[in-house]
Amino acid sequence: EADIYQTPRYLVIGTGKKITLECSQTMGHDKMYWYQQDPGMELHLIHYSYGVNSTEKGDLSSESTVSRIRTEHFPLTLESARPSHTSQYLCASSESGRDYGYTFGSGTRLTVV
Amino acid sequence: SQQGEEDPQALSIQEGENATMNCSYKTSINNLQWYRQNSGRGLVHLILIRSNEREKHSGRLRVTLDTSKKSSSLLITASRAADTASYFCATLIKGHKLIFGTGTRLQVFP
Repeated sequence: EADIYQTPRYLVIGTGKKITLECSQTMGHDKMYWYQQDPGMELHLIHYSYGVNSTEKGDLSSESTVSRIRTEHFPLTLESARPSHTSQYLCASSESGRDYGYTFGSGTRLTVV
Repeated sequence: SQQGEEDPQALSIQEGENATMNCSYKTSINNLQWYRQNSGRGLVHLILIRSNEREKHSGRLRVTLDTSKKSSSLLITASRAADTASYFCATLIKGHKLIFGTGTRLQVFP
């Protein structure tokens, strides 16, 4: 039922490669987020956006970058992947206002070898 | 943890029993939310309770919030095998950032 889509679902890539994780939502939400989650661990906010051309870094330092050129699209890019980037990356969106829950995508599980 | 702890870390019960999970947090909040995550997939929003509310119900879920103790609990009544998942509390702070707890892994045996 999710209206937020992440691709690819799984990605295994070599060290040094540039990768882009895609996230798109069809709900017209202004706010979008990227979280990083290691297996069995809590989620850490790494990037967020409150609208087009708005991006901010989250609480966990990340070497990734994001862009928000269109409301529905919030891709995350790693210029040079390293094994330490191996993790699950979860994209989410929410309506403006404080009393709305987040809608999450299914995640991208990234393995850098 | 960046915001709080959940207790217990893992819980195993039989179908039909109730499951209670607790969450503590550190800073003042706008609201507190509970999410479920199945087997490493994305999270599903379950219920939201505002900082001025003390209790909220949704189907078999009951959430309480005690802002004086900075704690919340999630009760799942009459649990089912399909309730097996990880459950996370999350607090909305500074009006815009949702910070997650460490999670409770719930296993419900048929």
